[in-house]
Amino acid sequence: GAVVSQHPSRVICKSGTSVKIECRSLDFQATTMFWYRQFPKKSLMLMATSNEGSKATYEQGVEKDKFLINHASLTLSTLTVTSAHPEDSSFYICSVPGGAYEKLFFGSGTQLSVL
Amino acid sequence: QKEVEQDPGPLSVPEGAIVSLNCTYSNSAFQYFMWYRQYSRKGPELLMYTYSSGNKEDGRFTAQVDKSSKYISLFIRDSQPSDSATYLCAMGRGAQKLVFGQGTRLTINP
Repeated sequence: GAVVSQHPSRVICKSGTSVKIECRSLDFQATTMFWYRQFPKKSLMLMATSNEGSKATYEQGVEKDKFLINHASLTLSTLTVTSAHPEDSSFYICSVPGGAYEKLFFGSGTQLSVL
Repeated sequence: QKEVEQDPGPLSVPEGAIVSLNCTYSNSAFQYFMWYRQYSRKGPELLMYTYSSGNKEDGRFTAQVDKSSKYISLFIRDSQPSDSATYLCAMGRGAQKLVFGQGTRLTINP
């Protein structure tokens, strides 16, 4: 069964609105979760590391005010794309480390389309 | 130079063929090596995991790591149409901060 639950799977919104994406760890307590962005036919790019109970760590070039991350519990992290614009349209995926040898498990992804 | 290089393909082979997918990397500190399968518009699914050098086999899938050459491979035997997907290699010093290859798009033709 799924280890990570991510919702919604698809969002279409108007430019200027904010969109929240949820990532839930079903099998593991996760003090850390990761958020990735993937463009068509491109690899996954790490955006930020979500830390339970503290601030997220953002990768270079990722706007922390644009992509708000909240990790309020050991099973839930949320990514909010604020004031979304068409260039924010992308596939967003969360991941959770867990199991033996620190394996990384991914959510099913969220396709964001900003009109 | 990218840290991880992977031929994006596309790669198309007939059903039943042996498929070989490869990645090269530049960071000799990488210790964890993984292969993920990703279907269109879905999250990656962990297929194979290897720590350090060596081979690992799981059913029709075999993963090989050659740290001396900084080269990893995934072999798929008796390929099936359901194996059609994008295959991503990933590696890192700690599994949590992985670097991904671009992904190879594979099609198995019936």
